[in-house]
Amino acid sequence: QSALTQPASVSGSPGQSITISCTGTSSDVGGHNRVSWYQHHPGKVPKLLIYDVTNRPSGVSNRFSGSKSGNTASLTISGLQAEDEADYYCSSYTNRNTYVFGTGTKVTVL
Amino acid sequence: QVQLQESGPGLVKPSETLSLMCTVSGGYISGYTWTWIRQPPGKGLEWIGNIHYDGRTSYSPPLGSRVTMSLDTTKNQFSLKVASVTTADAAVYYCGRHHNSGVEPWGQGTLVTVSS
Repeated sequence: QSALTQPASVSGSPGQSITISCTGTSSDVGGHNRVSWYQHHPGKVPKLLIYDVTNRPSGVSNRFSGSKSGNTASLTISGLQAEDEADYYCSSYTNRNTYVFGTGTKVTVL
Repeated sequence: QVQLQESGPGLVKPSETLSLMCTVSGGYISGYTWTWIRQPPGKGLEWIGNIHYDGRTSYSPPLGSRVTMSLDTTKNQFSLKVASVTTADAAVYYCGRHHNSGVEPWGQGTLVTVSS
């Protein structure tokens, strides 16, 4: 199974909004509402931001929101803050009863 | 609050079997799906597989034939074995619990090096 496709990097200024895309196929992203997003600061443990496309776990800021259209899921970070600088990964359930991660996106706060 | 902790050798020889354990505290294995994920140095996250509380497993196709997962509900632990390792299997290995389609919480991660 191939990794989901994410842009290698996205940047924005403090206070701006950015969107990270996650493109798969009808066998994963497009076929199931089971997409999740993670924030990973290097050397730290990945943190779940979004599950089931749009849901935020308790304690996650509402600045993070998820959506999906067709085979592409998106994570939007609004009101960008310096602490948001990290790597972000999407993940999706697949038709083979497995999960697959995205290639990862490095977010830089200018 | 559920916490997970990985344990196992940090160094494995090529062609041997990597064995890791994940101990769950503050909660029970029963009723949940548990997963292993790894991150090779300088690369992205890779899903290895998961195991349901009833023992059903699902493995990443590229790894499938080399991976075995099991659990011990009496000890509140689940394990990962990867056979015939190569340098490509060197990574930080994380265990985690599924929260719907997401994974939360995660263990702290354990670095496994493959070298003779």
